[in-house]
Amino acid sequence: DAGVIQSPRHEVTEMGQEVTLRCKPISGHNSLFWYRQTMMRGLELLIYFNNNVPIDDSGMPEDRFSAKMPNASFSTLKIQPSEPRDSAVYFCASRGQGSEAFFGQGTRLTVV
Amino acid sequence: GIQVEQSPPDLILQEGANSTLRCNFSDSVNNLQWFHQNPWGQLINLFYIPSGTKQNGRLSATTVATERYSLLYISSSQTTDSGVYFCAVKGDYKLSFGAGTTVTVRA
Repeated sequence: DAGVIQSPRHEVTEMGQEVTLRCKPISGHNSLFWYRQTMMRGLELLIYFNNNVPIDDSGMPEDRFSAKMPNASFSTLKIQPSEPRDSAVYFCASRGQGSEAFFGQGTRLTVV
Repeated sequence: GIQVEQSPPDLILQEGANSTLRCNFSDSVNNLQWFHQNPWGQLINLFYIPSGTKQNGRLSATTVATERYSLLYISSSQTTDSGVYFCAVKGDYKLSFGAGTTVTVRA
């Protein structure tokens, strides 16, 4: 398996623009997570999906953030409108029944 | 949520030295993972270790779930071991991360 695949790897956008991050989980995994990593807050969970259903979105910072999982092999995290404080590395992770989570390579987002 | 504390926050090693990293957690957990974040930012799985001891090459880990801690041992450290080591624990469903231990191995 190719592991968890995220795109793009790097994104630079202007404040106010819409940003969409993409994730393809490992085939057969039924749990998907979006995490954000910053120097100030470390790794924090944004949202958790189980069997494509959002279970916990309490970590989503505000209404500008939204996430979808239309099927078992694809998820998106959207920020609209983006702000400079959204600059961070965003990770997607997936987990199967075996309970070991695997992370994608991350998307480094810079909002200028 | 579960609190995860890692120590020490920073560690500087001479190549060839051994070291121990510690992870304490505040509540019962279903599993525990150790990750290495390399200088390129990738989170690499090291161990999935809810309890007991595992070894992988120069690395080994021990989790004592009843006492709520885990240890990661690095032996004969190499410069490629540099990076941040994270402990992450799973309570109900999510992984909660510690702040990490930044390891620098000098040649």
